[in-house]
Amino acid sequence: SAVISQKPSRDICQRGTSLTIQCQVDSQVTMMFWYRQQPGQSLTLIATANQGSEATYESGFVIDKFPISRPNLTFSTLTVSNMSPEDSSIYLCSVEGRGTEAFFGQGTRLTVV
Amino acid sequence: AQKVTQAQTEISVVEKEDVTLDCVYETRDTTYYLFWYKQPPSGELVFLIRRNSFDEQNEISGRYSWNFQKSTSSFNFTITASQVVDSAVYFCAITAPSNDYKLSFGAGTTVTVRA
Repeated sequence: SAVISQKPSRDICQRGTSLTIQCQVDSQVTMMFWYRQQPGQSLTLIATANQGSEATYESGFVIDKFPISRPNLTFSTLTVSNMSPEDSSIYLCSVEGRGTEAFFGQGTRLTVV
Repeated sequence: AQKVTQAQTEISVVEKEDVTLDCVYETRDTTYYLFWYKQPPSGELVFLIRRNSFDEQNEISGRYSWNFQKSTSSFNFTITASQVVDSAVYFCAITAPSNDYKLSFGAGTTVTVRA
């Protein structure tokens, strides 16, 4: 199993600013995933973050808007850049368990005003 | 690619009633994994169960039970004798090695249990 610490747990930000979300895992993992959950919606994968390489973004998400860092096997950050109210969502990081339980952080509830 | 359909948007029941949540999946993979997650109002995702494609045994865990049927590509979830604490959004999801274990989620079903 893996324990994931994600912070901040929530934030209220001004439009045009950026927020960096941190995700710390208590064990080394190859792949980390970042998901977005817009209000009342399901979870959508933003990108896959592998250590030592650039993140792979899903359709509709771009690096300029959601830059990701993965400096080592236990840590990743997601930045939401130049925020607008449409970016208000819950952002979750996850680590894959090779088909076993996929572990999730507690989520970051972002409100952009 | 994989896809999950949860046709039920919202279900409202009275406490102690049973509730069944439907999940239909699509995949071309022979090896895949199905999940159910619960998301209470606090927002965190709570893992409930995982099933791999080679294990069609139904499972019961307390008041929860799951019915996996490959013939109909379904992985339904039943809460028996529902309680108010069961009120949450429930997500069905699928992943596969061919997709680097990325999870594809259904739209979710909101369950409201009234006292």
